[in-house]
Amino acid sequence: DQQVKQNSPSLSVQEGRISILNCDYTNSMFDYFLWYKKYPAEGPTFLISISSIKDKNEDGRFTVFLNKSAKHLSLHIVPSQPGDSAVYFCAASAYNAGGTSYGKLTFGQGTILTVHP
Amino acid sequence: AAGVIQSPRHLIKEKRETATLKCYPIPRHDTVYWYQQGPGQDPQFLISFYEKMQSDKGSIPDRFSAQQFSDYHSELNMSSLELGDSALYFCASSYEGVGYGYTFGSGTRLTVV
Repeated sequence: DQQVKQNSPSLSVQEGRISILNCDYTNSMFDYFLWYKKYPAEGPTFLISISSIKDKNEDGRFTVFLNKSAKHLSLHIVPSQPGDSAVYFCAASAYNAGGTSYGKLTFGQGTILTVHP
Repeated sequence: AAGVIQSPRHLIKEKRETATLKCYPIPRHDTVYWYQQGPGQDPQFLISFYEKMQSDKGSIPDRFSAQQFSDYHSELNMSSLELGDSALYFCASSYEGVGYGYTFGSGTRLTVV
């Protein structure tokens, strides 16, 4: 049961244009969402996150939008650069049952972004 | 800034052997998470520790065990290795949850032959 889904395995954009990566989730208990960038044989690198109390968070070229009613979030990269080419993972978390802290991350399948010069 | 350190980076073992993976969290981080990423798959949560106690458990085989020590480093012990255990194993650490520096290490690539 894939609770976090990234339905686009790959995305190709031109340098300078906008990249939009999408993510859907099914578990209504998720209340914190993160985007990670990953290169082969390296650990995921944190990009940006958003709490369920917000609908938008912006950090430089990266903006994450959250639509709770649709259980959908998206990552916008503007302008896209060739160095952004990597695999992008969406991840979600929920408070532990004990309520003391957020716990494990549930990842989507990843989207391969290729930015062409 | 200090990052999450994993060792070794690469490990080759034969079937039925034992492997130990180590994770050194960022200083003052109190929670460690282990993930497994198979070829072409998304990372899957294995197990986590908060203040040296197991805090959550995912799809970790019974052949695997883990613990967090007094210095907060963690070790993942894998016995009776199978070919299907070949994967990237990531450790992440955080302080009081994902909102506080949830950071991944570079991973250990385990190859079982």
